[in-house]
Amino acid sequence: QKEVEQNSGPLSVPEGAIASLNCTYSDRGSQSFFWYRQYSGKSPELIMSIYSNGDKEDGRFTAQLNKASQYVSLLIRDSQPSDSATYLCAVLWGNNRLAFGKGNQVVVIP
Amino acid sequence: DGGITQSPKYLFRKEGQNVTLSCEQNLNHDAMYWYRQDPGQGLRLIYYSQIVNDFQKGDIAEGYSVSREKKESFPLTVTSAQKNPTAFYLCASSMPSGETNEKLFFGSGTQLSVL
Repeated sequence: QKEVEQNSGPLSVPEGAIASLNCTYSDRGSQSFFWYRQYSGKSPELIMSIYSNGDKEDGRFTAQLNKASQYVSLLIRDSQPSDSATYLCAVLWGNNRLAFGKGNQVVVIP
Repeated sequence: DGGITQSPKYLFRKEGQNVTLSCEQNLNHDAMYWYRQDPGQGLRLIYYSQIVNDFQKGDIAEGYSVSREKKESFPLTVTSAQKNPTAFYLCASSMPSGETNEKLFFGSGTQLSVL
């Protein structure tokens, strides 16, 4: 069974701090990785995609990928109250299907 | 405006009843997907379709059925065989981009509850 694991519980961070989220995956052959943001009662929206080992930065977001260790992470710098949401890690399996983790709730405290 | 439209936003099902969730897209996307999301859970794939008149089961297809008679439409029927249907249902579509079709565009979702 291919799995995407996001094990951390809710994450509370002060406004302006860095929020760090981690995700591990089971299929070593996976090549495409994504982070989605989902506000309560809303549909997910894509915020980051990463395909190569290393870091990818987009504004206040940085995705980090380590294929050897099979993990992908998301950093949110200068966290804002509007960043309070659930963040879903997604991995593309070889049959072009996206598998999602359970998500991590982030609460930014003003 | 281009996008994915799901209806209704809220739906109630009685015991033993079949209900159909609508999903329409005008993005000219080939692939369409149905996901189910339970509270505190990620998205689980129910069915997906890569082209018209063809669809495949996802990870939790039991108790559900779909059709793909038109490129724009991918309705999901929750049958009476689905014993725990209460969940948030999300429809998505994507246009294959190069080797992957990962850029999913989601509809606004349908919350299904059992009466």
